[in-house]
Amino acid sequence: NAGVTQTPKFQVLKTGQSMTLQCAQDMNHNSMYWYRQDPGMGLRLIYYSASEGTTDKGEVPNGYNVSRLNKREFSLRLESAAPSQTSVYFCASSDNRGTAGANVLTFGAGSRLTVL
Amino acid sequence: AQSVTQLDSHVSVSEGTPVLLRCNYSSSYSPSLFWYVQHPNKGLQLLLKYTSAATLVKGINGFEAEFKKSETSFHLTKPSAHMSDAAEYFCVVSDPGYSTLTFGKGTMLLVSP
Repeated sequence: NAGVTQTPKFQVLKTGQSMTLQCAQDMNHNSMYWYRQDPGMGLRLIYYSASEGTTDKGEVPNGYNVSRLNKREFSLRLESAAPSQTSVYFCASSDNRGTAGANVLTFGAGSRLTVL
Repeated sequence: AQSVTQLDSHVSVSEGTPVLLRCNYSSSYSPSLFWYVQHPNKGLQLLLKYTSAATLVKGINGFEAEFKKSETSFHLTKPSAHMSDAAEYFCVVSDPGYSTLTFGKGTMLLVSP
């Protein structure tokens, strides 16, 4: 059982380039999330998808787009990368259909992005 | 609005001594509260969660946390630190009025021999 898988693990971009971070989960979770982690800032929510077919902005959505491709996959796209987007990105998922698993996140291993 | 404050950015302890990581929260309702741990270059892992049942919550690896509504606190403790506990710890709040979680800025736990 792989859990949450993110690709790539590392990426270096030049300013203005575009790229897509891929995320897939195999736990049949309905909700998926993208966070960024910066030193001293904790995790900040970029976008989330409460269920298949819906996406919503989080705390820091500017410069990003997302696609909930199907129930398993949730991708994050940077259309024109900027140095301020240098960060570690985490995908997470949760099963929010009942109270037991509500808001319990399972995280991927992270994707380290550097924008020069 | 929901928010969480981790009172220490770094905590240093010696192996075998108690651990205390402090967290205060703000919530308009009865919140759900969580502690997550992140070991170096890894993703985050759930340590424990509070969802309005018992106020003393036991988690993995000997950690526990106590929900104190009067103090709006949810401090994480462990009686005896182990070298493998060295990691960053995040306190997280979820207000029933919100569909997402709010993370604290993290506390780095350093354990010396």
